[in-house]
Amino acid sequence: GENVEQHPSTLSVQEGDSAVIKCTYSDSASNYFPWYKQELGKRPQLIIDIRSNVGEKKDQRIAVTLNKTAKHFSLHITETQPEDSAVYFCAANRAGGSTLGRLYFGRGTQLTVWP
Amino acid sequence: SAVISQKPSRDICQRGTSLTIQCQVDSQVTMMFWYRQQPGQSLTLIATANQGSEATYESGFVIDKFPISRPNLTFSTLTVSNMSPEDSSIYLCSVAGGPGSVDTQYFGPGTRLTVL
Repeated sequence: GENVEQHPSTLSVQEGDSAVIKCTYSDSASNYFPWYKQELGKRPQLIIDIRSNVGEKKDQRIAVTLNKTAKHFSLHITETQPEDSAVYFCAANRAGGSTLGRLYFGRGTQLTVWP
Repeated sequence: SAVISQKPSRDICQRGTSLTIQCQVDSQVTMMFWYRQQPGQSLTLIATANQGSEATYESGFVIDKFPISRPNLTFSTLTVSNMSPEDSSIYLCSVAGGPGSVDTQYFGPGTRLTVL
């Protein structure tokens, strides 16, 4: 099955700086890559996703880039704020077959934004 | 996105007993999944709940320990059987294939289980 690696496991930045989290995947058939934010004691929430037919997607301060050739995708957060502090998970799907819809998750990145 | 609820939100159970967790969605969805998340860890898929047929379990999870039902397109249950302290975790359901999207997956609020 798919293998998703996520780095770094922890990331500390000063408020206003940018944060970048990187993930790699193994299955070239994967075509959907969501990112989830999980605050302490809360459910994972989808913050942005990208499909394999585009290379970049932005939503205000958040962007995701995808390099299909290298099989990696990244989350970029600009102008970070303390409320961005959370655990971020990347994921990749496996298209087709009996595992349609199944997501494979990275291990997570604990982002801390210092005021 | 779909509105997903889980019951109970938390429970404390005795070793050897069983607990059934319910997941309810406000719209019909194609896929429903059950995950386990231990403190500080990532999300581990237990099984895919299939409507009208047996669930599809991931490696390391078996039906006798985690029986799953999915009687319709909006509801599923996960039972944690013969519990031990190692089963203490957060259990989350997720759904995909709601209106307008095949892959996008949304999570329920989770059930925090403590086994004594």
